[in-house]
Amino acid sequence: NAGVTQTPKFQVLKTGQSMTLQCAQDMNHEYMSWYRQDPGMGLRLIHYSVGAGITDQGEVPNGYNVSRSTTEDFPLRLLSAAPSQTSVYFCASGRTDTQYFGPGTRLTVL
Amino acid sequence: SQQGEEDPQALSIQEGENATMNCSYKTSINNLQWYRQNSGRGLVHLILIRSNEREKHSGRLRVTLDTSKKSSSLLITASRAADTASYFCATDFSNTGANSKLTFGKGITLSVRP
Repeated sequence: NAGVTQTPKFQVLKTGQSMTLQCAQDMNHEYMSWYRQDPGMGLRLIHYSVGAGITDQGEVPNGYNVSRSTTEDFPLRLLSAAPSQTSVYFCASGRTDTQYFGPGTRLTVL
Repeated sequence: SQQGEEDPQALSIQEGENATMNCSYKTSINNLQWYRQNSGRGLVHLILIRSNEREKHSGRLRVTLDTSKKSSSLLITASRAADTASYFCATDFSNTGANSKLTFGKGITLSVRP
């Protein structure tokens, strides 16, 4: 099993550009989530999904969209990038007793 | 807002010593979990304790939960240099206990000197 994979690993955007961060898992987990981590902070929940076709907002959803058309994939879309979205983004999948995190995408918005 | 608050923010110990880290939270929880993050890497799940449990063990890890004080502690015994990492507590505040909505603290930086 590859576990949770994220692409790209690094990305630099200009203000106003859009992009999609990819996340995939091969463990057949129903639950998937996106978090962002800023320096000196813990992770903050952006969006999450409890199954294909079901998504909901987390603590900091503004500026981000998600969809879950399959169990395996949970992409995160930045609609119009802003410098405040410079962060490290982690995708996670799991079940009721644990979460498995991807290696992260380091995003810089200039 | 972040529910979990870890204490201390940083901890430096000698290899072989025990490391104790604390976490406090604000509202009722379904479970509390501890994660480790090595520099530049993703988080790794260490241990989960449910709200009706008081203590759990996993290898060199011991976690306790006191729901009356809304606090938890993580003890790493006989620490090793490889334990050097950041440690986070996370609480599940989903209505269903599905573990899909976690709130993380800011983390504790543990340094274990060889």
